[in-house]
Formats: sequence, structure tokens, C-alpha cells
Amino acid sequence: AQSVAQPEDQVNVAEGNPLTVKCTYSVSGNPYLFWYVQYPNRGLQFLLKYITGDNLVKGSYGFEAEFNKSQTSFHLKKPSALVSDSALYFCAVRYSGGGADGLTFGKGTHLIIQP
Amino acid sequence: GAGVSQSPSNKVTEKGKDVELRCDPISGHTALYWYRQSLGQGLEFLIYFQGNSAPDKSGLPSDRFSAERTGGSVSTLTIQRTQQEDSAVYLCASSPDRVSYNEQFFGPGTRLTVL
Repeated sequence: AQSVAQPEDQVNVAEGNPLTVKCTYSVSGNPYLFWYVQYPNRGLQFLLKYITGDNLVKGSYGFEAEFNKSQTSFHLKKPSALVSDSALYFCAVRYSGGGADGLTFGKGTHLIIQP
Repeated sequence: GAGVSQSPSNKVTEKGKDVELRCDPISGHTALYWYRQSLGQGLEFLIYFQGNSAPDKSGLPSDRFSAERTGGSVSTLTIQRTQQEDSAVYLCASSPDRVSYNEQFFGPGTRLTVL
């Protein structure tokens, strides 16, 4: 079985400051890791993914994430937060050997950027 | 191009009634997924279709839930004898193929309220 933990229900950051949204995972074998963002009353939008290779992955809207195999983490980061980054963020995992079955999502983290 | 579309956007029904939710995936995408998003359970995988193959129903919560996909394109999720705990946002996603590291593209969802 695979699982994802997002330990923070909410993260508050002042505009212009760096932000981190935490994610840890558990999967047997090599993971494929994803971050999605959900704005109010809208569907999930893909931000970035880790498949293999460089541990630092760059994605949409200036976001990046760092894969750390020893800590089984995939934290989402941005150097300078914008008010428009305020949204609900989901980390997700898929087992690389499991075929194209459904993603396993974390519970989500509300990111609030204060002006 | 057009994204994943879902209809209706909102559905209010009475306990015990049947409901049908529709998903139109991105043209050419062979993989289609249904998820449920609720306050208590977060995002849960329900069912997965790949082309015309038999679906992976491993995530369906009960036998009241069923889904079909006609002609490898449009999908319908049916909930029979709805219960109040079925109230949630039902999200559909599609992906170009069954490669497990491909990101999924989500629709805006159908908000189901069971009175």
C-alpha cells in the first residue's frame, strides 16, 4: 500500500517570503511524485512531478520541489510567495511498478499568503 | 484546447434516489479516472478506465457505485440509492495513456448534495 502525509493543514506566509509545503510518502519501490493545486471552485491543476534524475524539480508558477529519498519527502517550495499563490495544495504518489492506477493523495495543505 | 468537462456542475438529490454524473475527457486521452473529494476523507480514487479494457474498480466504496465508459471516451458514474455520506465533489481526470508517470488532467468536478 502507498500513502502520503501532509503534516500541516494550513501554512501562513507573508508575501515576498519563501514558502515550503511539506509532504512525505510511503511506497514500496520507486515512487512517482506529484504536486497539484486547487483554487476555490476549480479542479486540480498539475504543478510538477518527480520521475527520476535530478532531485530538484521545477514546475509551473515558479514552484519547485525537492525529492529526498532518505527522508521519503517531496516538499514544495517557492523562493518568493505571491498573494495569488493562496490555494489548497495536494501531494500525490504513484508506485512506479503499479501501472496507471489511481493517484494516492495527501489530505491537502491550505496555503495562505498574507499581503 | 478543451479540457476535461463534467456535468452537471451541481446536483442536489434526495436520499434514496439514483444519480448520474458525466465526464468528457480530453480528446485522445485513453486513461480516465474518477475521484471523490470530501471533507472527511480528502481525495479518494474510485475507478480507472484504460481504453476499452475492463475498469479497475478497486476504489469504489460500495456496490451502489458503478461507472461505464462508452466508446473509450465519455464516462458516466452512477450512484444508486444515494445516502447522505455520498455528498462530495466528484472529480474526473484523464491522461494520454496508461504510462504511470503521466500527469492527470482534472475536470472542475460535480458537487453532489444528498438531502
